[in-house]
Amino acid sequence: ETGVTQSPTHLIKTRGQQVTLRCSSQSGHNTVSWYQQALGQGPQFIFQYYREEENGRGNFPPRFSGLQFPNYSSELNVNALELDDSALYLCASSIPGQPDPHFGNGTRLTVT
Amino acid sequence: AQSVTQLGSHVSVSEGALVLLRCNYSSSVPPYLFWYVQYPNQGLQLLLKYTSAATLVKGINGFEAEFKKSETSFHLTKPSAHMSDAAEYFCAVGWAGGTSYGKLTFGQGTILTVHP
Repeated sequence: ETGVTQSPTHLIKTRGQQVTLRCSSQSGHNTVSWYQQALGQGPQFIFQYYREEENGRGNFPPRFSGLQFPNYSSELNVNALELDDSALYLCASSIPGQPDPHFGNGTRLTVT
Repeated sequence: AQSVTQLGSHVSVSEGALVLLRCNYSSSVPPYLFWYVQYPNQGLQLLLKYTSAATLVKGINGFEAEFKKSETSFHLTKPSAHMSDAAEYFCAVGWAGGTSYGKLTFGQGTILTVHP
């Protein structure tokens, strides 16, 4: 059984640019959640996708958007990057009824 | 609304000593509670979870936690620290049921240092 994989592992972007982060969920998991973990902080819930539809969103602006594909993989898109968007972005997959999601190793985004 | 407070951003213990990491939560409904560990440049690994069964939960690597509803606490303990336990630990709360699975609220984290 493969775990949650995220790509790329590291990324450097300039303020104002756009970025796409990718996540392959664990085999059989049809729900994907994204979290932002700023340096020295706990992860914060961005949003969740279930069956290709957004299923809940945290306190993040609309320039944070996502997609889920029929194979349950997912993308996180961030437009108009700001310096404060620098963080570790974690993807987590789960199945309905499973309280604990399985996390990937994250993508470290640096905005300069 | 849910929230999690981890008391102590840094905890330092000697190898072989008791580890105690504190977590208090607030939740308007019966919660699911979790402890995760994060090693440098890695994701989150689940140590243990409380899902309304036994209040004393045993996890991996010798860790355990006790759910105390009256104190709204879910403290993490390990009788004897090992050097490999040095990492950052996160307490998290989630809701049960409906569309809430997988949406967790995390504490700020506690960095555990283990001295030889």
